[in-house]
Amino acid sequence: DAGVTQSPTHLIKTRGQQVTLRCSPKSGHDTVSWYQQALGQGPQFIFQYYEEEERQRGNFPDRFSGHQFPNYSSELNVNALLLGDSALYLCASSLTSGHQETQYFGPGTRLLVL
Amino acid sequence: GESVGLHLPTLSVQEGDNSIINCAYSNSASDYFIWYKQESGKGPQFIIDIRSNMDKRQGQRVTVLLNKTVKHLSLQIAATQPGDSAVYFCAENRTPGSARQLTFGSGTQLTVLP
Repeated sequence: DAGVTQSPTHLIKTRGQQVTLRCSPKSGHDTVSWYQQALGQGPQFIFQYYEEEERQRGNFPDRFSGHQFPNYSSELNVNALLLGDSALYLCASSLTSGHQETQYFGPGTRLLVL
Repeated sequence: GESVGLHLPTLSVQEGDNSIINCAYSNSASDYFIWYKQESGKGPQFIIDIRSNMDKRQGQRVTVLLNKTVKHLSLQIAATQPGDSAVYFCAENRTPGSARQLTFGSGTQLTVLP
């Protein structure tokens, strides 16, 4: 049973660039949430996707956007990167339709903005 | 700032002893709480969860206690092992009725001494 997978594992970008991170949910899950984790901090909720729509959003600017595909996988896009966007980006999946909403996390993508 | 906070940033215990990690929350409407374990370089790993209609829940070597009167959550680990060394996060659900947006504290670093 495959768990949550994310790609790439590491990424280096420069200020002003754009980045796309990818997530495949745990087998059987239909919901994907994205979190940003700065060094030494707890994860911060970015947004959640269900039925290919954003249904909950945290306190992040519009530079952060996402998408969910029919196969439930998801992308996180960040435009106009800032140094402060350097962090571990975590994807978590859950099952809304089965009322099993425990969120299971992937290993994360570590983004460094120079 | 975070409404979910931890009383101690670090905790050291002897191997074989019991560990207790504490967490305070401020949102009385939160109805779902989760404990995660995060090892270095990995994503958070689900340990145990509890709903607000419960006071206690037990898993394998772990027990979560919820005191809604004082808005306090604790994680007890029995017979702590070296593999338990990690950062532990409590998280609360900010969307009662549906576990969509989790709010995390800053974590407690648990170190198991030989």
